Amino acid sequence: GNSVTQMEGPVTLSEEAFLTINCTYTATGYPSLFWYVQYPGEGLQLLLKATKADDKGSNKGFEATYRKETTSFHLEKGSVQVSDSAVYFCALMSPNAGNMLTFGGGTRLMVKP
Amino acid sequence: DAGVIQSPRHEVTEMGQEVTLRCKLISGHNSLFWYRQTMMRGLELLIYFNNNVPIDDSGMPEDRFSAKMPNASFSTLKIQPSEPRDSAVYFCASSFTGTGEKLFFGSGTQLSVL
Repeated sequence: GNSVTQMEGPVTLSEEAFLTINCTYTATGYPSLFWYVQYPGEGLQLLLKATKADDKGSNKGFEATYRKETTSFHLEKGSVQVSDSAVYFCALMSPNAGNMLTFGGGTRLMVKP
Repeated sequence: DAGVIQSPRHEVTEMGQEVTLRCKLISGHNSLFWYRQTMMRGLELLIYFNNNVPIDDSGMPEDRFSAKMPNASFSTLKIQPSEPRDSAVYFCASSFTGTGEKLFFGSGTQLSVL
């Protein structure tokens, strides 16, 4: 079956540090890949997505590249801000699974001033 | 648009009581998803509807859980009777693609069963 594995948190960084949150997946076929973000007290919001190999999704300074050869979709940001503190979820959607999202366990990011 | 609206935001109840969680979809969306979030199990899909019809309820944990869509814009998730292990944050999400892509989540209902 499909699955998504994320690095365990929390990840604690100082403001302006470089961020990487690792995500790897297992899926049949050619899934689409997503990063969702959950700010405190809120529901998840779509952050970025990539629908095919070598695509790069980007939004709000965050980037992730769909790497089929390593089945990875790592999230990166060059300079984090305190306002980026949130929980980040990697997810995949596969036609072989009824086009439903499979989420990873989430990674909490804490950015200190 | 106000987005996906869930009520109540917080619910505290005693074991054995009936709990009803409510969700209003974004206008024009035709798919509705109920998720449960806990520290232990993360985000779990409980059930989803497409055009008011339940498509997959395999994630519903037990017969104590039931979900309905009485109309195209509204859904309820009911737990009867509730148990302490049901304590979690329950999210509903909607989309207009008929798939899991581009979900819009509500702010969730924090349920505590004592």
